[in-house]
Amino acid sequence: QVQLVQSGAEVKKPGASVRVSCKASGYTFTNYGVTWVRQAPGQGLEWVGWISSYNGQTNYAPKLQGRVTLTTDKSTTTAYMEMTSLTSDDTAIYYCARDERDYWGQGTLVTVSS
Amino acid sequence: EIVMTQSPLSLPVTPGEPASFSCRSSESLLHTNGYNYLDWFLQKPGQSPQRLIYLGSKRASGVPDRFSGSGSGTDFTLKISRVEAEDVGVYYCMQSLQSPYTFGQGTKLEI
Repeated sequence: QVQLVQSGAEVKKPGASVRVSCKASGYTFTNYGVTWVRQAPGQGLEWVGWISSYNGQTNYAPKLQGRVTLTTDKSTTTAYMEMTSLTSDDTAIYYCARDERDYWGQGTLVTVSS
Repeated sequence: EIVMTQSPLSLPVTPGEPASFSCRSSESLLHTNGYNYLDWFLQKPGQSPQRLIYLGSKRASGVPDRFSGSGSGTDFTLKISRVEAEDVGVYYCMQSLQSPYTFGQGTKLEI
């Protein structure tokens, strides 16, 4: 069965960077891209970006462009989201989802606090 | 970017009664291929979102047939024919026609 398993919660200081992983299984990894979505505490959903698992093509939310980098590792069928220059506004649960948002990871809480 | 507006923000319902959610986009979501690039998601308390409807009206695998999606262009509706207790949560619409993809602010279904 299709599964997306994300890495554990992170606590970072302002200005630091974070990398969240998303391990995919149960399907041919390179046939589907990976979407990333975040949700600040008590808030709605916000699209972060998308990456093709086939050729690495990316598409980022303009407000995060320059601070977020999406990558994939075909050998381990894992997708990664790295975000730099963190501020308290980046405190959120970060979700990965398969291309068409039909399967989702369990979410990773990233807390940015001094 | 395309702005998605949902209404109402809160929807109290009685089990067994129908429910209707509205989603409007600032631009048409109708692609030249004839499909509307509009998804509906349900986020139950403490859980990841789950896709209910894609391409405006196609029910996702495993979704009960009491859920239905309709609409085209800029106006879309999600309907639950008979609400059950397990349907509580926040319902979001999302457009995937144009980057950046954007979500509505959500409608909270309360029983």
